[in-house]
Parts: sequence; structure tokens; C-alpha cells
Amino acid sequence: GDSVTQMEGPVTLSEEAFLTINCTYTATGYPSLFWYVQYPGEGLQLLLKATKADDKGSNKGFEATYRKETTSFHLEKGSVQVSDSAVYFCALSDRNRGSTLGRLYFGRGTQLTVWP
Amino acid sequence: DAGVTQSPTHLIKTRGQQVTLRCSPKSGHDTVSWYQQALGQGPQFIFQYYEEEERQRGNFPDRFSGHQFPNYSSELNVNALLLGDSALYLCASTRGNTIYFGEGSWLTVV
Repeated sequence: GDSVTQMEGPVTLSEEAFLTINCTYTATGYPSLFWYVQYPGEGLQLLLKATKADDKGSNKGFEATYRKETTSFHLEKGSVQVSDSAVYFCALSDRNRGSTLGRLYFGRGTQLTVWP
Repeated sequence: DAGVTQSPTHLIKTRGQQVTLRCSPKSGHDTVSWYQQALGQGPQFIFQYYEEEERQRGNFPDRFSGHQFPNYSSELNVNALLLGDSALYLCASTRGNTIYFGEGSWLTVV
């Protein structure tokens, strides 16, 4: 079945360091891929998404490219800030009949801590 | 434009009791899904509703049931609560290629 494997954490970085969080997936069809962020005590916020191969999702300095050949969707940011400290989840979604997205399959999450 | 709203935000129940959680989707979103997130884990899919019918279901027992109303809002019901049902319950609404989550309802079973 469909699944997501995400880099185990925690990840600890100094401010302005480069961030990579690895994510690979297994899917039978043509899934959409997502990165969500969760701040302490809060729900999930959509960070970025990509709906087809070679698409690049980007938001707030974060980027991820949908690589079908390597079944990957790694999250990157060139210069992290203290405010980026949170848990990051990679996810994929299959599709129901028609074009509406179906269920999301999540990775286990990666805790990122950025020190000043 | 209001996002996805959930209620209550926090609640405590006793083992064996029943609980109902509520969700109003983002304006214009007709599909609602529910997820359970245990502490330190990724969210797990419970079920999805569209046009007032359950369209997909994850690996959860029949104690978990739901409903969608004509205005697209939804309820999640859990019967015979177990200690292991303690978690953050997230509602998500979908339109096209976008899925948005609410802040969640924190359920503690004692």
C-alpha cells in the first residue's frame, strides 16, 4: 500500500544553517505530495505541495521537488531561523473517483530545533 | 474567510464513556476527513465524508463513527472510550488539490 518514510529526528541546527529533511514514498498511482508543519500545541499547517512529477513546491523559503525517478520529496531551506523550530510531516495523498484528493498518508514527523 | 473550525478544543472523558467532536470545514470545501494523532506520532486517517456518505475508512474499529450534514459540517463519535483513545483529533477539509486542517480537539481519557 501507499506509505511515506521520513528522516528520523530530532534535527538540531544553528540559525542560518542549511536544512534538509529527507522523505521517500511508495505509491501505486500518481499521488500528490505535501509537507505540513506543526508548532507546539497546534494543529497542522500546510507548508507546501506538489501535484505531479518535477513540480517544485515552495513557501516561506522552504522548497521540495517531486522526484518520481527516486520517489522522493525532500524538504530544504537555505537559512533556517529560530522561528522554524517545529515538527515537520511529509505526506502523500491518493485520489478518489474524479479529481478530489483522498486520504493522507503521513510520515512519523521530524522535530527541528534551531538555536540562535 | 474562516478556516477549518473544531470543537471542543480540549476535553476529558472517563473510560467507557462516549464522545462527539465537531468540525466545520473551510468555506467552499465539501469533503471532510478525520485523523487521530497520538503523542509523538504522525496523524492516522480515520475516515472521509463526501456528500454525507463515508467514502474511505482507515484501520479503526467500529467504535469510531461519523456523520456529515448537508452544510458539509461533520461529527466524529467514539463509543466505549479506551485509555488508548487519548489523542489529538484533527479534522481536514478538501477542495480540489488542497487539504487544510483545523487546530484539533485534544481528548484525554482517564
